[in-house]
Amino acid sequence: RKEVEQDPGPFNVPEGATVAFNCTYSNSASQSFFWYRQDCRKEPKLLMSVYSSGNEDGRFTAQLNRASQYISLLIRDSKLSDSATYLCVVNMINTGRRALTFGSGTRLQVQP
Amino acid sequence: NAGVTQTPKFRVLKTGQSMTLLCAQDMNHEYMYWYRQDPGMGLRLIHYSVGEGTTAKGEVPDGYNVSRLKKQNFLLGLESAAPSQTSVYFCASTSDSPQKKYTGELFFGEGSRLTVL
Repeated sequence: RKEVEQDPGPFNVPEGATVAFNCTYSNSASQSFFWYRQDCRKEPKLLMSVYSSGNEDGRFTAQLNRASQYISLLIRDSKLSDSATYLCVVNMINTGRRALTFGSGTRLQVQP
Repeated sequence: NAGVTQTPKFRVLKTGQSMTLLCAQDMNHEYMYWYRQDPGMGLRLIHYSVGEGTTAKGEVPDGYNVSRLKKQNFLLGLESAAPSQTSVYFCASTSDSPQKKYTGELFFGEGSRLTVL
């Protein structure tokens, strides 16, 4: 079983739609959670951190459910520019290294 | 701002050849990483370094070696390239350290596309 699992998609949605992605992680001792965005043939970039209480950044909302070991990302009012791959990222500090573990990503295609 | 710079950006090798990928960062970051990205696999950690002169293995270290002789540089070497090492390689660095609040923000280079024939 992968440490971080995501539905690869693609999710094809019209502009203005609301779309949500989920991600599950296997290590219950994981402590930090993030969403990264990766455009086609580009490097990943941090989109937002995910806090236990949930957090919002403009049209983006991230939530964490520790009991069920999943993370979600909600995008409201989708824009064409939101088309990208969204990577779920977990820090498993108990592995003894300060390194992030990446999911394989969920591809979003926003259509006009 | 240069940030994280990787060279070369593209390379084609024959099986058995050796090469070195160079990563340079100008942000004075302590931690540096090498990841590889393959379709459907996500980014997988090869090796990392928590400071000048230190290196450690990640989850897929076999077939690779690294060195961090200077704080700003992190080199990834392939001693005898194999077709299974065809991939996109990303270097990253972070300002995170045990003395700071953890942000989880990695700064990536643009990637190096390696093909081994």
